[in-house]
Amino acid sequence: DTEVTQTPKHLVMGMTNKKSLKCEQHMGHRAMYWYKQKAKKPPELMFVYSYEKLSINESVPSRFSPECPNSSLLNLHLHALQPEDSALYLCASSPPTDSPLHFGNGTRLTVT
Amino acid sequence: DQQVKQNSPSLSVQEGRISILNCDYTNSMFDYFLWYKKYPAEGPTFLISISSIKDKNEDGRFTVFLNKSAKHLSLHIVPSQPGDSAVYFCAASALNNDMRFGAGTRLTVKP
Repeated sequence: DTEVTQTPKHLVMGMTNKKSLKCEQHMGHRAMYWYKQKAKKPPELMFVYSYEKLSINESVPSRFSPECPNSSLLNLHLHALQPEDSALYLCASSPPTDSPLHFGNGTRLTVT
Repeated sequence: DQQVKQNSPSLSVQEGRISILNCDYTNSMFDYFLWYKKYPAEGPTFLISISSIKDKNEDGRFTVFLNKSAKHLSLHIVPSQPGDSAVYFCAASALNNDMRFGAGTRLTVKP
Protein backbone atom coordinates (compact mmCIF):
# COMPACT_ATOMS: atom_id res chain seq x y z
CA ASP A 1 0.00 0.00 0.00
CA THR A 2 1.27 3.43 -0.93
CA GLU A 3 1.54 6.07 1.79
CA VAL A 4 0.45 8.73 -0.67
CA THR A 5 -3.23 8.42 -1.50
CA GLN A 6 -4.68 9.80 -4.71
CA THR A 7 -8.34 10.07 -5.59
CA PRO A 8 -10.04 9.30 -7.84
CA LYS A 9 -8.15 6.43 -9.46
CA HIS A 10 -9.85 7.06 -12.79
CA LEU A 11 -11.58 10.16 -14.14
CA VAL A 12 -13.32 10.80 -17.43
CA MET A 13 -14.28 14.39 -18.10
CA GLY A 14 -15.50 16.50 -20.96
CA MET A 15 -13.69 19.56 -22.20
CA THR A 16 -16.15 21.90 -20.49
CA ASN A 17 -16.10 20.17 -17.11
CA LYS A 18 -14.43 21.30 -13.90
CA LYS A 19 -12.96 18.56 -11.75
CA SER A 20 -10.32 18.19 -9.05
CA LEU A 21 -7.67 15.58 -8.32
CA LYS A 22 -6.81 15.03 -4.69
CA CYS A 23 -3.67 13.82 -2.94
CA GLU A 24 -3.06 13.15 0.73
CA GLN A 25 -0.02 12.09 2.77
CA HIS A 26 0.50 11.75 6.50
CA MET A 27 4.25 11.20 6.59
CA GLY A 28 4.98 14.77 7.66
CA HIS A 29 6.62 15.54 4.32
CA ARG A 30 6.82 19.25 3.56
CA ALA A 31 7.36 19.00 -0.21
CA MET A 32 4.58 17.82 -2.50
CA TYR A 33 4.59 17.37 -6.26
CA TRP A 34 2.38 16.92 -9.29
CA TYR A 35 3.76 14.96 -12.24
CA LYS A 36 2.10 14.12 -15.54
CA GLN A 37 2.96 10.90 -17.35
CA LYS A 38 1.91 9.97 -20.85
CA ALA A 39 2.26 6.45 -22.21
CA LYS A 40 5.88 5.33 -22.70
CA LYS A 41 7.16 8.70 -21.53
CA PRO A 42 8.88 9.75 -18.30
CA PRO A 43 6.95 11.49 -15.54
CA GLU A 44 7.07 15.23 -16.28
CA LEU A 45 7.22 17.66 -13.40
CA MET A 46 4.30 20.11 -13.26
CA PHE A 47 4.33 21.75 -9.82
CA VAL A 48 6.24 21.61 -6.55
CA TYR A 49 4.98 22.90 -3.22
CA SER A 50 7.49 23.41 -0.45
CA TYR A 51 6.12 24.23 3.00
CA GLU A 52 2.72 24.84 1.39
CA LYS A 53 4.08 27.47 -0.97
CA LEU A 54 4.34 26.97 -4.72
CA SER A 55 8.05 26.78 -5.44
CA ILE A 56 8.15 25.37 -8.97
CA ASN A 57 5.67 25.81 -11.82
CA GLU A 58 6.99 24.23 -15.00
CA SER A 59 5.13 26.59 -17.34
CA VAL A 60 1.97 24.56 -16.97
CA PRO A 61 -1.14 25.96 -18.76
CA SER A 62 -3.57 27.81 -16.52
CA ARG A 63 -6.26 25.20 -17.11
CA PHE A 64 -4.33 23.26 -14.42
CA SER A 65 -4.52 25.01 -11.05
CA PRO A 66 -2.73 23.52 -8.03
CA GLU A 67 -3.70 24.13 -4.44
CA CYS A 68 -2.07 23.10 -1.17
CA PRO A 69 -4.63 23.70 1.61
CA ASN A 70 -2.34 22.28 4.32
CA SER A 71 0.82 20.25 4.73
CA SER A 72 -1.00 16.94 4.14
CA LEU A 73 -3.18 17.79 1.16
CA LEU A 74 -2.52 18.71 -2.45
CA ASN A 75 -5.20 19.34 -5.05
CA LEU A 76 -5.08 19.83 -8.79
CA HIS A 77 -8.07 21.73 -10.17
CA LEU A 78 -8.89 21.05 -13.81
CA HIS A 79 -10.93 23.27 -16.11
CA ALA A 80 -11.42 23.37 -19.87
CA LEU A 81 -8.94 20.58 -20.54
CA GLN A 82 -8.04 19.29 -23.97
CA PRO A 83 -7.99 15.65 -25.13
CA GLU A 84 -4.17 15.81 -25.22
CA ASP A 85 -4.23 16.38 -21.45
CA SER A 86 -5.30 12.76 -21.03
CA ALA A 87 -2.56 11.10 -18.99
CA LEU A 88 -1.65 9.56 -15.66
CA TYR A 89 -1.34 12.28 -13.01
CA LEU A 90 1.01 11.34 -10.21
CA CYS A 91 1.28 13.01 -6.83
CA ALA A 92 4.40 12.62 -4.72
CA SER A 93 5.77 13.88 -1.43
CA SER A 94 9.21 14.05 0.13
CA PRO A 95 11.16 15.36 3.09
CA PRO A 96 13.49 18.26 2.27
CA THR A 97 16.01 18.03 -0.56
CA ASP A 98 18.10 14.98 -1.43
CA SER A 99 15.39 12.55 -0.40
CA PRO A 100 13.39 10.07 -2.45
CA LEU A 101 9.94 11.01 -3.61
CA HIS A 102 7.09 8.83 -2.42
CA PHE A 103 4.52 8.46 -5.17
CA GLY A 104 0.83 7.72 -5.11
CA ASN A 105 -0.66 5.29 -7.61
CA GLY A 106 -1.92 8.12 -9.78
CA THR A 107 -5.17 9.25 -11.33
CA ARG A 108 -5.78 8.06 -14.87
CA LEU A 109 -7.45 11.03 -16.57
CA THR A 110 -9.28 10.82 -19.88
CA VAL A 111 -10.55 14.01 -21.51
CA THR A 112 -13.26 13.44 -24.11
CA ASP B 1 15.11 19.16 -23.30
CA GLN B 2 15.65 15.68 -21.89
CA GLN B 3 18.15 16.15 -19.06
CA VAL B 4 18.04 12.50 -18.01
CA LYS B 5 18.30 9.86 -20.71
CA GLN B 6 17.78 6.12 -20.71
CA ASN B 7 18.68 5.00 -24.19
CA SER B 8 17.58 1.38 -23.86
CA PRO B 9 13.79 1.10 -23.86
CA SER B 10 13.94 -2.59 -22.97
CA LEU B 11 16.26 -5.25 -21.57
CA SER B 12 15.76 -9.00 -21.28
CA VAL B 13 17.91 -11.22 -19.04
CA GLN B 14 17.84 -14.76 -17.76
CA GLU B 15 16.96 -15.45 -14.15
CA GLY B 16 20.07 -15.58 -11.98
CA ARG B 17 22.15 -13.41 -14.34
CA ILE B 18 23.09 -9.77 -13.89
CA SER B 19 20.86 -6.95 -15.15
CA ILE B 20 22.60 -3.68 -15.97
CA LEU B 21 20.48 -0.61 -16.63
CA ASN B 22 22.13 2.57 -17.81
CA CYS B 23 21.35 6.27 -17.52
CA ASP B 24 23.04 9.46 -18.74
CA TYR B 25 22.42 13.03 -17.66
CA THR B 26 23.35 16.41 -19.03
CA ASN B 27 22.82 18.82 -16.14
CA SER B 28 26.03 19.19 -14.12
CA MET B 29 24.01 20.73 -11.27
CA PHE B 30 22.39 17.38 -10.47
CA ASP B 31 23.75 16.09 -7.18
CA TYR B 32 21.32 13.34 -6.17
CA PHE B 33 20.42 10.34 -8.29
CA LEU B 34 17.81 7.68 -7.85
CA TRP B 35 16.32 4.58 -9.42
CA TYR B 36 12.62 3.87 -9.28
CA LYS B 37 10.74 0.72 -10.22
CA LYS B 38 7.24 0.85 -11.65
CA TYR B 39 4.66 -1.88 -12.06
CA PRO B 40 1.55 -1.34 -14.21
CA ALA B 41 -1.26 0.59 -12.51
CA GLU B 42 1.04 1.69 -9.68
CA GLY B 43 3.13 4.76 -9.01
CA PRO B 44 6.92 4.57 -9.16
CA THR B 45 8.51 2.98 -6.10
CA PHE B 46 11.88 4.17 -4.80
CA LEU B 47 14.61 1.55 -5.16
CA ILE B 48 18.03 3.03 -4.42
CA SER B 49 19.80 6.38 -4.50
CA ILE B 50 23.28 7.86 -4.56
CA SER B 51 24.58 11.33 -3.82
CA SER B 52 27.22 12.98 -5.94
CA ILE B 53 29.86 12.60 -3.23
CA LYS B 54 29.84 8.82 -3.72
CA ASP B 55 30.54 6.59 -6.68
CA LYS B 56 28.81 3.45 -5.45
CA ASN B 57 25.89 2.51 -3.23
CA GLU B 58 24.77 -1.01 -2.53
CA ASP B 59 21.56 -2.40 -1.08
CA GLY B 60 21.19 -6.15 -1.20
CA ARG B 61 20.96 -7.29 -4.81
CA PHE B 62 20.93 -3.70 -6.09
CA THR B 63 24.01 -1.55 -6.67
CA VAL B 64 24.10 1.89 -8.22
CA PHE B 65 27.31 3.24 -9.75
CA LEU B 66 27.91 6.92 -10.49
CA ASN B 67 30.55 8.25 -12.89
CA LYS B 68 30.38 12.03 -12.54
CA SER B 69 32.99 12.79 -15.17
CA ALA B 70 31.00 10.82 -17.74
CA LYS B 71 27.64 11.98 -16.34
CA HIS B 72 26.59 8.37 -16.27
CA LEU B 73 25.00 6.08 -13.73
CA SER B 74 24.01 2.46 -13.82
CA LEU B 75 21.94 0.04 -11.80
CA HIS B 76 23.15 -3.52 -11.35
CA ILE B 77 20.78 -6.21 -10.19
CA VAL B 78 22.36 -9.51 -9.29
CA PRO B 79 21.07 -12.14 -9.27
CA SER B 80 18.06 -11.08 -11.33
CA GLN B 81 14.71 -12.59 -10.38
CA PRO B 82 11.43 -12.81 -12.34
CA GLY B 83 9.83 -10.49 -9.77
CA ASP B 84 12.28 -7.79 -10.86
CA SER B 85 10.43 -7.52 -14.17
CA ALA B 86 9.14 -3.93 -14.29
CA VAL B 87 9.91 -0.54 -15.79
CA TYR B 88 12.92 1.12 -14.20
CA PHE B 89 13.23 4.90 -14.16
CA CYS B 90 16.42 6.81 -13.52
CA ALA B 91 15.94 10.19 -11.83
CA ALA B 92 18.13 13.10 -10.83
CA SER B 93 17.70 16.29 -8.87
CA ALA B 94 19.52 19.44 -7.88
CA LEU B 95 18.99 21.25 -4.55
CA ASN B 96 15.58 22.71 -5.31
CA ASN B 97 13.35 19.59 -5.30
CA ASP B 98 13.35 19.67 -9.10
CA MET B 99 13.53 15.94 -9.86
CA ARG B 100 13.76 14.84 -13.49
CA PHE B 101 13.13 11.37 -14.87
CA GLY B 102 14.45 9.34 -17.74
CA ALA B 103 12.11 7.63 -20.19
CA GLY B 104 12.41 4.26 -18.47
CA THR B 105 13.76 0.82 -19.34
CA ARG B 106 11.45 -2.18 -19.32
CA LEU B 107 13.29 -5.09 -17.72
CA THR B 108 12.09 -8.63 -18.36
CA VAL B 109 13.67 -11.42 -16.33
CA LYS B 110 12.97 -14.81 -17.88
CA PRO B 111 12.72 -17.93 -15.67
